[in-house]
Amino acid sequence: EAGVVQSPRYKIIEKKQPVAFWCNPISGHNTLYWYRQNLGQGPELLIRYENEEAVDDSQLPKDRFSAERLKGVDSTLKIQPAELGDSAVYLCASSVDSSANYGYTFGSGTRLTVV
Amino acid sequence: AQSVTQPDIHITVSEGASLELRCNYSYGATPYLFWYVQSPGQGLQLLLKYFSGDTLVQGIKGFEAEFKRSQSSFNLRKPSVHWSDAAEYFCAVGARSGSNDYKLSFGAGTTVTVRA
Repeated sequence: EAGVVQSPRYKIIEKKQPVAFWCNPISGHNTLYWYRQNLGQGPELLIRYENEEAVDDSQLPKDRFSAERLKGVDSTLKIQPAELGDSAVYLCASSVDSSANYGYTFGSGTRLTVV
Repeated sequence: AQSVTQPDIHITVSEGASLELRCNYSYGATPYLFWYVQSPGQGLQLLLKYFSGDTLVQGIKGFEAEFKRSQSSFNLRKPSVHWSDAAEYFCAVGARSGSNDYKLSFGAGTTVTVRA
């Protein structure tokens, strides 16, 4: 089966510009996560979806970040406007559900550089 | 709130030598514990997980980890390292955030370099 697919792999933008990342989870996975990984650190959760509902977005900077998961499948994470501090790797992960019985499958990530 | 500490930022090991990566967690209840590996430019791959039962857990690629409740530790080990094991390793703790769901918190990671 195909894994979690993310695009683009790399993105370089100027500050104050908008940017969007796309994630296609594993088929049948109801739970989708967006993580941000800063250089030299572990991933930090931004938002979690159960199907199309965002059930945990407490760590999402809502003034500039937004996300959606239409029809409970693909998801898009957007930043507008981007700031220098947003440079990081943005990881998408999916799971069958959010119980402890299943592990997460991560995508390869999108490396964002804001200049 | 749960937290994870990986005391070693960087470890260098010779090929064929043994490897041990340390992980300490803080969580008020019985934790779910995980080790992930991340190769350059790749996403995270699950090596092994501990939920309950036998405290010595076997994973993929010849890795194992031991849960020690008294020390709040979940150290990862491999008896003989291969050059392909050079990567970044993340320990994570899963804490319940609802009736039947949990949230992963990751440590800062340990970078492993393998020398010939």
